[in-house]
Parts: sequence; structure tokens; C-alpha cells
Amino acid sequence: DGGITQSPKYLFRKEGQNVTLSCEQNLNHDAMYWYRQDPGQGLRLIYYSQIVNDFQKGDIAEGYSVSREKKESFPLTVTSAQKNPTAFYLCASRALRPSGANVLTFGAGSRLTVL
Amino acid sequence: GQQLNQSPQSMFIQEGEDVSMNCTSSSIFNTWLWYKQDPGEGPVLLIALYKAGELTSNGRLTAQFGITRKDSFLNISASIPSDVGIYFCSNNNDMRFGAGTRLTVKP
Repeated sequence: DGGITQSPKYLFRKEGQNVTLSCEQNLNHDAMYWYRQDPGQGLRLIYYSQIVNDFQKGDIAEGYSVSREKKESFPLTVTSAQKNPTAFYLCASRALRPSGANVLTFGAGSRLTVL
Repeated sequence: GQQLNQSPQSMFIQEGEDVSMNCTSSSIFNTWLWYKQDPGEGPVLLIALYKAGELTSNGRLTAQFGITRKDSFLNISASIPSDVGIYFCSNNNDMRFGAGTRLTVKP
């Protein structure tokens, strides 16, 4: 079955530590996205990538870094520079065909808690 | 950038009641998308709208693409407990989302 997998589902880290969240898709989608969701809040775009080896900052990129070395993978690193990293992180992907819906498919999310 | 405003922010309804929520944009959209997020999960696409004035149904869900192309509404008829969640609107352009409408259904 095709889908998008995020891991781990739950992650606890001490303040000041970097942490990397994994996102893998086998949908052959071109573009991948990372969102942050705080309790009772909407989805805020952190970073996105439309092609391998290229990515762009979203609305809240400070304190985060990404890489896109393979089409299937788009890991997100939450660095110690992120002042308030505790949140629910969602990865998504979509195709970029000239015609067609090209809507987002989301992973199940990773909940990061910084102690 | 464009702004997406969803209303209401939250709704508390009785099982069986109908629900209506809407989304407005500061700019014209070519596509309106409605997603639902179950607690602790990622959002899932409910309905996609591609033409101004389009009215689309999916079971108990009905959504419309506003004539001005700056708004859309989503209706849920005869709500059930599993309708609980957060409903988001979005477009297919810059991948931003509204703040969501949180729906609670009391049995």
C-alpha cells in the first residue's frame, strides 16, 4: 500500500538537543512538506521541497533544517535554536502533475515533547 | 501572502444536528480543499472543489466553491460522534491552511 510514514510517533528530548524526525513516502510524489501544529492551532508551514536537492523556507523555518537527498525522504531536524519545539509535526506530500488534483497526503504525525 | 479565515473556531453540537462552517480568503482561489483531522492523526482530504459555483457532495458532506472565488462553505448533515475533529480549508497553490474549525458532537 502506498503511503507516507512518519517516525517516531512520540519523541521526548531534553532542552538543547537536536532531534530529527523522519518522513518517508512511497507514492512517487514530487513535493514534500513539513507543518507544525500547536494545541488548538492550525497548521503552519515550516519547509517544503518540490524537487530532490532543493527546498524552500515556509512561514516558520527558524530553528529547523531539512534535507532532500532522495525523492522518497524529507527528514526534519529540530535544532536547539528552536525556542519552543514542543509540538505536533506533520509531514505531507503531493504530486505536481500539470493536470489533476495534486492534493496533499499527510502522515500520521510525530509528537515532540521537550523536557 | 494570502490569508485564510475560518469560522467558527469551534462548534459544540448535539448528535443529529446539521453543521455549517466556512472559509474566506483575501485572494482569489482556483481550488478549494477541505480536510478533516481526527485527534492525534494527520488531516485527510474530504472534498475538492475546482470551479466557481461548484457544489459537491460526499455522503453527508456538501461543499460549495463561492462565486467570488474567495470563499467556500462545508456542511455536514445529521452529525454523528465520529464527525468530531478539526476541519481545515486550503487551496492547491501555496499549501497554507486556515486555523481550522474544531467540532465536538455530544451523543
